[in-house]
Amino acid sequence: DAGVIQSPRHEVTEMGQEVTLRCKPISGHNSLFWYRQTMMRGLELLIYFNNNVPIDDSGMPEDRFSAKMPNASFSTLKIQPSEPRDSAVYFCASRATGQLLNTGELFFGEGSRLTVL
Amino acid sequence: QQQVKQSPQSLIVQKGGISIINCAYENTAFDYFPWYQQFPGKGPALLIAIRPDVSEKKEGRFTISFNKSAKQFSLHIMDSQPGDSATYFCAATVPKETSGSRLTFGEGTQLTVNP
Repeated sequence: DAGVIQSPRHEVTEMGQEVTLRCKPISGHNSLFWYRQTMMRGLELLIYFNNNVPIDDSGMPEDRFSAKMPNASFSTLKIQPSEPRDSAVYFCASRATGQLLNTGELFFGEGSRLTVL
Repeated sequence: QQQVKQSPQSLIVQKGGISIINCAYENTAFDYFPWYQQFPGKGPALLIAIRPDVSEKKEGRFTISFNKSAKQFSLHIMDSQPGDSATYFCAATVPKETSGSRLTFGEGTQLTVNP
């Protein structure tokens, strides 16, 4: 399996621009998570989906952030307009819910490093 | 609200030494406690995990010790190696088979093992 695939790996943009981060979860996994990682705040859960339905978006910092999962193999995280404080590494992760009672393992992508100037 | 507290923030150990990272949690409903390892430029990856029905789990050089009454758990890395240098995150969750559940992560510990 190719693992969780994220794109782009690096994004540099100017304040006010729209940013779209993309994620392809592992085939067969029905839970998908978006995390943000910064030095100051560590790993923060932004939103997670189960069977393509958003379950908990309480971690989305503000209305500038939105996430969609139109099908089981694709999700996007959009920031519009972007601000310098959004600079971070954004991780997508997936998990097969049926395995929760056995391992609960979350599989992370390699992340998208966003820099907003 | 941060529900998992991790310490220390950073740790430097000599090769062959023991690395110890501690975590404490508040939510007594947590029943699965994994540790994730993250190398620079990579996403976190599951290292080892424990459920509260056991007090210790060992996999190779890595051991989790769990104290349910104190709501604390720790990671011990025996015979630490330079290749163990990474950031380690403890986490906790309440698994929900039907709706999925969220992992709550600690703040992370940056471990450096000197040769």
